[in-house]
Amino acid sequence: EVQLVESGGGLVKPGGSLRLSCAASGLTFINAWMTWVRQAPGKGLEWVGRIKSKTDGGTTDYAAPVKGRFTLSRDDSKNTLYLQMNSLKTEDTAVYYCRTGGYWGQGTLVTVSS
Amino acid sequence: QAVVTQEPSLTVSPGGTVTLTCGSSTGAVTSGHYPYWFQQRPGQAPRTLIYDTSNKQSWTPARFSGSLLGGKAALTLSGAQPEDEAEYYCLLSSSGARVFGGGTKLTVL
Repeated sequence: EVQLVESGGGLVKPGGSLRLSCAASGLTFINAWMTWVRQAPGKGLEWVGRIKSKTDGGTTDYAAPVKGRFTLSRDDSKNTLYLQMNSLKTEDTAVYYCRTGGYWGQGTLVTVSS
Repeated sequence: QAVVTQEPSLTVSPGGTVTLTCGSSTGAVTSGHYPYWFQQRPGQAPRTLIYDTSNKQSWTPARFSGSLLGGKAALTLSGAQPEDEAEYYCLLSSSGARVFGGGTKLTVL
């Protein structure tokens, strides 16, 4: 059974940083393209970014609102995806989900507030 | 980056048929946009229903189908059930990135 478990969310001040993790099991992580999606309270889904598998180049793509502030990375030895979030803004407040193929995690809440 | 448009809300009768659509500001949606469809019930994580226009996940009920229709991606629900009441989102590929539509709130009434 595929499981994706996000962690690392919490309360952070504007301008601060946070690193989210997504631990994957039940799949061949090394071959998986991994994505982060977020959802602000009461709002729709927003695509954040994607990292390809290393065999497909390991490249990343980002949504315009987070480009230059957020960085996706992966540790295939730990079956874990990361999202480093810097220069956080109040509008980054959301539940952050990781996704691969048809599978979603349950999300982790990030709140950016002073 | 494209703007992806969906109907804000639709209503279907139990047992009825409804089609949700997903358009792009850059022009016609094609298979090259690799359309996805997701269902999200209140308080739950999203669930993938359709990928690459028309392919179903193993858990996708047979009453859901995906297609291209009139220059848009489409999700058709045939034989609506009360449990299908939810928010539905499409996702399109756009210049290396991906863009979600704003979602369609589907009411079964």
